[in-house]
Amino acid sequence: DAGVIQSPRHEVTEMGQEVTLRCKPISGHNSLFWYRQTMMRGLELLIYFNNNVPIDDSGMPEDRFSAKMPNASFSTLKIQPSEPRDSAVYFCASWSSWADTQYFGPGTRLTVL
Amino acid sequence: DQQVKQNSPSLSVQEGRISILNCDYTNSMFDYFLWYKKYPAEGPTFLISISSIKDKNEDGRFTVFLNKSAKHLSLHIVPSQPGDSAVYFCAATMPSGGGADGLTFGKGTHLIIQP
Repeated sequence: DAGVIQSPRHEVTEMGQEVTLRCKPISGHNSLFWYRQTMMRGLELLIYFNNNVPIDDSGMPEDRFSAKMPNASFSTLKIQPSEPRDSAVYFCASWSSWADTQYFGPGTRLTVL
Repeated sequence: DQQVKQNSPSLSVQEGRISILNCDYTNSMFDYFLWYKKYPAEGPTFLISISSIKDKNEDGRFTVFLNKSAKHLSLHIVPSQPGDSAVYFCAATMPSGGGADGLTFGKGTHLIIQP
């Protein structure tokens, strides 16, 4: 299995631009999670989906952030417009009831100038 | 407000000795706890977990201890090896089975194993 796949691995953009991060969960996993890692706040949950349905988005910092999961094998996290304080590493993770834990992707390092 | 706290940002241990990483939590609803290990430029990888019905879980060189009354858990690595050098995250979740809900993470402890 290829594991959780995230793209791009690195993204550098300018303030005000739209950013889209992508995630492909492990095949057969029915839950998908987006996390953000910063020096100040550590790893924090942004939003998660069960069976493609958003369950809890209370961690999404602002309306500038949105996430979708149009099907079981793909999810996006969009930031529009982006700001320098959004600079962080964004991780996607997936889980299934037969898995022992959440499995994380390698992350996308976002830099907003 | 941090519900899971790892108060030591870094820890240096000599190779072959025991590494002890600590974690405290404030939310008494947490009932499942996990440790993740993270190398630079990689995602966190699962190491070991413990349910609140246990006070100890062991897997090879890794043992996690849970003290519910103190809301404290610790990860012991014996003996420590150079490959153990990484950032270790403590995580907790609510009653639902291991990973169905989002995890609440501590800020991590950078473990450095000295040769």
